Amino acid sequence: QVQLVQSGSELKRPGASVKVSCKASGYTFTKDAMNWVRQAPGQGLEWMGWINTNSGNPTYAQGFTGRFVFSLDTSVNTAYLQISSLKAEDTAIYFCARGLYDGYGYYFDYWGQGTLITVSS
Amino acid sequence: SSELTQDPAVSVALGQTVRVTCQGDSLRNYYANWYQLKPGQAPILVIYSKNNRPSGIPDRFSGSSSGNTASLTITGAQAEDEADYFCDSRDSSGNHVVFGGGTKLTVL
Repeated sequence: QVQLVQSGSELKRPGASVKVSCKASGYTFTKDAMNWVRQAPGQGLEWMGWINTNSGNPTYAQGFTGRFVFSLDTSVNTAYLQISSLKAEDTAIYFCARGLYDGYGYYFDYWGQGTLITVSS
Repeated sequence: SSELTQDPAVSVALGQTVRVTCQGDSLRNYYANWYQLKPGQAPILVIYSKNNRPSGIPDRFSGSSSGNTASLTITGAQAEDEADYFCDSRDSSGNHVVFGGGTKLTVL
């Protein structure tokens, strides 16, 4: 069965960096896109972008360029989200989600459990 | 601001039918998907693409669309359906994904 397992919660100081992992199993990792979604405290879901797991080419949503980097290690079926120069407003739960296109629409069928990143001095 | 608009909150009596809506211009060209989100849990896909239901999702969940509005209908709402519901779709450019602001569903 498809599973996306994310790394654990982290507490970081402002200005630090963090790298969140998302390990996939139960399917061919390089076949489907991996997306990243953020949920800030008390807020809704926000799409951050996606990475082509075949080519490694990332696409970032507006507001997630510069400090946010998507990467892969296909040898261990893992996607990564790195955030640098952390700010308090980066405090949020970060989800990875597999993206599928069925000829009609694009959707996220499996999600990781989420990783809470807390940025505080 | 989100390109998809949802009512912030909706309530329904146990066993009754409720409709959650999602409005946006891009919905004239792209299907909406619906996700259920409960505190401390990962989102669950409940309706996707051409108003399909993933395996394991009860058939009381259904989707429909007309013009710039997509709807999620729960027929015979159960207590366990109380959650936040988010729609998503392509944005107006078609290149990116956008989520609605979410609807908090309360089952009375």
